[in-house]
Amino acid sequence: DSGVTQTPKHLITATGQRVTLRCSPRSGDLSVYWYQQSLDQGLQFLIQYYNGEERAKGNILERFSAQQFPDLHSELNLSSLELGDSALYFCASSTSGMSSYEQYFGPGTRLTVT
Amino acid sequence: GNSVTQMEGPVTLSEEAFLTINCTYTATGYPSLFWYVQYPGEGLQLLLKATKADDKGSNKGFEATYRKETTSFHLEKGSVQVSDSAVYFCALRGDDMRFGAGTRLTVKP
Repeated sequence: DSGVTQTPKHLITATGQRVTLRCSPRSGDLSVYWYQQSLDQGLQFLIQYYNGEERAKGNILERFSAQQFPDLHSELNLSSLELGDSALYFCASSTSGMSSYEQYFGPGTRLTVT
Repeated sequence: GNSVTQMEGPVTLSEEAFLTINCTYTATGYPSLFWYVQYPGEGLQLLLKATKADDKGSNKGFEATYRKETTSFHLEKGSVQVSDSAVYFCALRGDDMRFGAGTRLTVKP
């Protein structure tokens, strides 16, 4: 158990809908990262927050947004969902935003768009 | 931009065989390098890391050396076990995090 929790574990929704994925980092970790894992694209970095502020942005679509709250939990919002958004979404946390610090991954949320 | 290339799988080995999974990278500056492992139905777990050139990361019998001259970070294990069956990801952390495509390893008894 990494100490990172994600809810829900599974989510099934229809095209055009909007969903929110939630992540609670390990106790004391200030950085939260979001990743998308799909069969065709592999594991892709979406976005990083550090202590409430956006720190780095990867291949995140404009339909997607995220935020980190004062209690350090984070939410990833996915809107106008398309079939291609079906994937595993992972959250990870680390103590610092620095490159040498390892990230601890949550168990993931499996999103299925029908 | 930064990128990671790792050998494509799947890789199938017999128990106690020697394992090498190749990983090369392209990066500006001085990135940190990682190997992560993903067991079925789980998230990624850090296996080992190296933060500067010539560093050797090691854990659970796995090793990888940060080679700046060849821009490589190959994963090795002298004797694999059935329990090592998983997907292995090479990763680079510079301005952002980049992962390789993953290599699925199956170890047969």
